[in-house]
Amino acid sequence: DAGVIQSPRHEVTEMGQEVTLRCKPISGHNSLFWYRQTMMRGLELLIYFNNNVPIDDSGMPEDRFSAKMPNASFSTLKIQPSEPRDSAVYFCASSLRGPNSPLHFGNGTRLTVT
Amino acid sequence: GENVEQHPSTLSVQEGDSAVIKCTYSDSASNYFPWYKQELGKGPQLIIDIRSNVGEKKDQRIAVTLNKTAKHFSLHITETQPEDSAVYFCAASDNTNAGKSTFGDGTTLTVKP
Repeated sequence: DAGVIQSPRHEVTEMGQEVTLRCKPISGHNSLFWYRQTMMRGLELLIYFNNNVPIDDSGMPEDRFSAKMPNASFSTLKIQPSEPRDSAVYFCASSLRGPNSPLHFGNGTRLTVT
Repeated sequence: GENVEQHPSTLSVQEGDSAVIKCTYSDSASNYFPWYKQELGKGPQLIIDIRSNVGEKKDQRIAVTLNKTAKHFSLHITETQPEDSAVYFCAASDNTNAGKSTFGDGTTLTVKP
């Protein structure tokens, strides 16, 4: 079991550029989550997919953020255009049965927007 | 929505001592309470969890207790070791497909050798 795989590990970009973060969940898990972690706001849930369908996207900050899950083994989180306040560590997590079962986190993508 | 409060925010103990971290939650519908350990540069990793039909669960040096009436749960680490130093998060979620895990703000535990 390779665990949840996220890429890239680090991303540095200039304000206004498009950023795409990628995630491969654990095979067989039916739920996928995108979280953002900052010192000020802690761990925030951005969006939750169940069986590839978005269930709760109330945490997505604004229209600049979008997430897709085209199949059970791949998800993307896109920020367009990026802003300095988007700088954070973005985690992807997957679970067997939604938020009521253990979340398996990837090692995150550290995003810096200058 | 659910609100999870975690205390203390930082905790420093001597190697071999016990450490206790406490969380309270607001939504009586919450019934799953995991604890995660996050080391520097890594994602949070589950260390123990408890469901609402159980009052206590133990795994070697780690235990979790749950008081549903008071809406609080605690993590207990005995015989602490330097490798226990990390940030610990509690979380609460309910039993609906649309539910979400709400995390506490984290506790930075330092175990001094």
